[in-house]
Amino acid sequence: QVQLQESGPGLVKPSQTLSLTCTVSGGSISSGGYYWGWIRQHPGKGLEWIGYIYYTGSTYYNPSLKSRLTISVDTSKNQFSLKLSSVTAADTAVYFCARLFRGYDTSGYYSSWFDPWGQGTLVTVSS
Amino acid sequence: EIVMTQSPATLSVSPGERATLSCRASQSVSSNLGWYQQKPGQAPRLLIYGASTRATGIPARFSGSGSGTEFTLTISSLQSEDFAVYYCQQYNNWPPSYSFGQGTKLEIK
Repeated sequence: QVQLQESGPGLVKPSQTLSLTCTVSGGSISSGGYYWGWIRQHPGKGLEWIGYIYYTGSTYYNPSLKSRLTISVDTSKNQFSLKLSSVTAADTAVYFCARLFRGYDTSGYYSSWFDPWGQGTLVTVSS
Repeated sequence: EIVMTQSPATLSVSPGERATLSCRASQSVSSNLGWYQQKPGQAPRLLIYGASTRATGIPARFSGSGSGTEFTLTISSLQSEDFAVYYCQQYNNWPPSYSFGQGTKLEIK
């Protein structure tokens, strides 16, 4: 079964760039059929969708983060990555990567879901 | 942006009883609604998509209903492992958007 694992620094200084990588195992990113997404969860709060990428490199970002965000994919390593620039304390959160389905399910209805998810990694923005 | 509002914030229910969780969208999302379960220190787990379709491996005691702006997640007979935080999430095809409710904490009464 597909598993995802986030990695990257747990502490980032304000104004710097937050960089995370998600490594996918048990399946190939480039096999298609799924997108690959990032979601974050501020401490003690709800979930916020960040953006997603397809193996071709096609991306879509949350408009609220678009100006600071880059998501990329490395199919040779079966990884995808997130870079968030000019971070502030408001970017402190647990960052999750997840596989994203976007398409028509077996009933013929459009559907979309995040499953499975990585375990998440806490990134703290502080000097 | 579509805002998802869940109620109640905390629900206290005894094991074996039924739990009913609500989710409201600020505008119609048709049936583009999912439910996730999150336990402390864990990632969310998909329970329901398409408002009422159980994800693979999800027990039949979990059911979802609703369309438009009002949705419900029902857990028919609570097991000890069901006490967790539950999130609803809307999705839109184009332009793509995903937004989550603030969560309902289901606790043991």
